[in-house]
Amino acid sequence: AQSVTQLGSHVSVSEGALVLLRCNYSSSVPPYLFWYVQYPNQGLQLLLKYTTGATLVKGINGFEAEFKKSETSFHLTKPSAHMSDAAEYFCAVSDGRDTGNQFYFGTGTSLTVIP
Amino acid sequence: NAGVTQTPKFQVLKTGQSMTLQCAQDMNHEYMSWYRQDPGMGLRLIHYSVGAGITDQGEVPNGYNVSRSTTEDFPLRLLSAAPSQTSVYFCASSHPGGISGYTFGSGTRLTVV
Repeated sequence: AQSVTQLGSHVSVSEGALVLLRCNYSSSVPPYLFWYVQYPNQGLQLLLKYTTGATLVKGINGFEAEFKKSETSFHLTKPSAHMSDAAEYFCAVSDGRDTGNQFYFGTGTSLTVIP
Repeated sequence: NAGVTQTPKFQVLKTGQSMTLQCAQDMNHEYMSWYRQDPGMGLRLIHYSVGAGITDQGEVPNGYNVSRSTTEDFPLRLLSAAPSQTSVYFCASSHPGGISGYTFGSGTRLTVV
């Protein structure tokens, strides 16, 4: 089975500062990788994904992530934090099987943005 | 709007009661699943289905039943509610292979007293 590790259950940054949320995964095959965002009392919304091709992927709200196979990482970044970025962020990996594809989620990172 | 619809949004049950959480999607996704979300534990898979008539257990299936009679619907049944089942429940769906990612419903917040 695959696993996803998100380092830091809580991250605080100042408004305007760099956001870096870390995600490492274990996979025996090239995976599909995802970041989801969850605002308070809402469901999860897809932020960005990596499937194939360019390893630097851009998502909504100015976020981007880079797939580094050698490091089995998929860290999420944003150059300048905004107050509206405060939310819970989940990294996920799919094994991409055509049947019974499973998604494996990290335990989440809560981002606080300090004014 | 296309998406995953969950009902109800909130529910309070007494210990021992049963209920069904409804989930419907209109995107013709073959793959559907139920997760529960608890503080500090992320999302844990309860049951999933790869198509109509096919279901399987996830990480935490005890106390829950599912069925998939149509592509669109994937209800989750609590047979005899326990306080340990107090949680937020999310239904999600995707195409096979997962390349498009999951689409999530807005969740059901369940409290068992």
